[in-house]
Amino acid sequence: DTGVSQDPRHKITKRGQNVTFRCDPISEHNRLYWYRQTLGQGPEFLTYFQNEAQLEKSRLLSDRFSAERPKGSFSTLEIQRTEQGDSAMYLCASVSGPPETQYFGPGTRLLVL
Amino acid sequence: AQSVTQLDSHVSVSEGTPVLLRCNYSSSYSPSLFWYVQHPNKGLQLLLKYTSAATLVKGINGFEAEFKKSETSFHLTKPSAHMSDAAEYFCVVNLSGNTGKLIFGQGTTLQVKP
Repeated sequence: DTGVSQDPRHKITKRGQNVTFRCDPISEHNRLYWYRQTLGQGPEFLTYFQNEAQLEKSRLLSDRFSAERPKGSFSTLEIQRTEQGDSAMYLCASVSGPPETQYFGPGTRLLVL
Repeated sequence: AQSVTQLDSHVSVSEGTPVLLRCNYSSSYSPSLFWYVQHPNKGLQLLLKYTSAATLVKGINGFEAEFKKSETSFHLTKPSAHMSDAAEYFCVVNLSGNTGKLIFGQGTTLQVKP
């Protein structure tokens, strides 16, 4: 399968712990996006990369969140000192085009207890 | 500012009957518009996209959508619903410019009754 992959698929953690998620985009896609989806809502943009450069961050991305894409391939999203409000599905997408189409991974579902 | 409004949070149809999921958008530019579907515990799958070519867009699984600029609408339709169509559907606008980030509607849950 050459689609977008994310790891882990599920994560349960205690409040205050740090967590890290990984996204592997489709290999020839140079743009990568992170979104967050809370229950009953549509996904919301968090940040995106053009190759290894992080070009935009949403106001949703507090100082506890950091994302990297060190070699312009896979990306990681780290949440420090997790809070219960961080519980959500974290989605990664990579982009082909023009015309642009974002292909989404299966997501990482985070539950903070 | 760009935004998307899905007019129904929940739609229920009987198997074999038509499906209509409504979406209105607001955009200062000529938008790119998409419909994505999300089945339980699965990722978002692209159904179809409009990128200023033909206003009637055909997608996968028999779905289609019509871009109507005068009504700022991009409604999703299917002539005959299948049980497998039961899922969450998102209308999405792609911001123009360099970011390309997607703005999602709140979603419409489609229920298909036997």
